[in-house]
Amino acid sequence: NAGVMQNPRHLVRRRGQEARLRCSPMKGHSHVYWYRQLPEEGLKFMVYLQKENIIDESGMPKERFSAEFPKEGPSILRIQQVVRGDSAAYFCASAPGTTNEKLFFGSGTQLSVL
Amino acid sequence: RKEVEQDPGPFNVPEGATVAFNCTYSNSASQSFFWYRQDCRKEPKLLMSVYSSGNEDGRFTAQLNRASQYISLLIRDSKLSDSATYLCVVKIGGSYIPTFGRGTSLIVHP
Repeated sequence: NAGVMQNPRHLVRRRGQEARLRCSPMKGHSHVYWYRQLPEEGLKFMVYLQKENIIDESGMPKERFSAEFPKEGPSILRIQQVVRGDSAAYFCASAPGTTNEKLFFGSGTQLSVL
Repeated sequence: RKEVEQDPGPFNVPEGATVAFNCTYSNSASQSFFWYRQDCRKEPKLLMSVYSSGNEDGRFTAQLNRASQYISLLIRDSKLSDSATYLCVVKIGGSYIPTFGRGTSLIVHP
């Protein structure tokens, strides 16, 4: 499967735990975006990364959230000390280059915080 | 004013109907426009890009009105399978970040 791979599909955490969401972009894509979607809401941009660099993290909360895209391996979105308000669908999308005219999305990770 | 605004709907139409939705954007420097489709709880998928001269793909027609800062999507001969949320996406020139509208829900019934 050459598509964008996200895992896990579903993640359940208790308040205060850490959540790690993974995203492997399409083959040949070096640009990754993370979006969050709350129930009945649109997709909200969180962070844009290229290999080993965070290009734009203007949509990401300053505390508890971090993202990385290492030279080897998937992109990781990490949420520390999760709270109920973090419950949402987190989508990753990849693009081949800087023009990024089209995004290809993964199936998303549904995070539920108990 | 939100960067990208859409009527959330839902639009309820019978099979075979023609339906159109608009999407307005606030930044006049916006240069790239797209319609994505999202089925319930699934990932968004690109439906079509929107070009300045307007473009058509089968039953779907997309148009751009720069003067009034909106794009539109027209669906002819609606099918049950067209039921989904349609997301308007706008990218400002020089920006890396596509901005998504909240989406318009379409329900096509028999």
